[in-house]
Amino acid sequence: GAVVSQHPSWVICKSGTSVKIECRSLDFQATTMFWYRQFPKQSLMLMATSNEGSKATYEQGVEKDKFLINHASLTLSTLTVTSAHPEDSSFYICSAPPGTGGGTEAFFGQGTRLTVV
Amino acid sequence: SQQGEEDPQALSIQEGENATMNCSYKTSINNLQWYRQNSGRGLVHLILIRSNEREKHSGRLRVTLDTSKKSSSLLITASRAADTASYFCATDTGYSTLTFGKGTMLLVSP
Repeated sequence: GAVVSQHPSWVICKSGTSVKIECRSLDFQATTMFWYRQFPKQSLMLMATSNEGSKATYEQGVEKDKFLINHASLTLSTLTVTSAHPEDSSFYICSAPPGTGGGTEAFFGQGTRLTVV
Repeated sequence: SQQGEEDPQALSIQEGENATMNCSYKTSINNLQWYRQNSGRGLVHLILIRSNEREKHSGRLRVTLDTSKKSSSLLITASRAADTASYFCATDTGYSTLTFGKGTMLLVSP
């Protein structure tokens, strides 16, 4: 199946700094990538959809200026958490949509554990 | 928005026992998928069942779908300690995005 590589797997940063999370499709091209946020013992909440060649679409309640999404190429999507605060600490996961790479399932990155201190 | 609801939220069993998890949803779907997540990791696809299917098997997994009740169940037979993980159902309504349930945390003790 399609492989999605997410980096870093974990990061600790100071309040007020920005953190960039990368999501790469290794063996396929992705015009769309989904970004999720997951709090401990909870489900995945869709934050935004990155689209190659156009602006990202954000879910209701997600701050566009805080969570910057860039789909730089057909194999790279990035999420930048700007001016991070402790409440931004969470697990962030990217995913290629169902149907990518010829399959019907979604393919997920390994996730990034962000801790803001 | 989260439309899936898994039941139970947590399940603790012994190795060799069967584990059953249920999922309910609210809207019409194209298919329903089950994913597994090990602690602190991404999700791994387990099995997909289409809206016109009622039951599907894959190894030790058995999935059922009742579209009239808008519910699905995942059965893991002869569980192993390595099956310990969180399990999520996800519905595909045909608009590319998946909507995930809240998940069931399964603990299989040796």
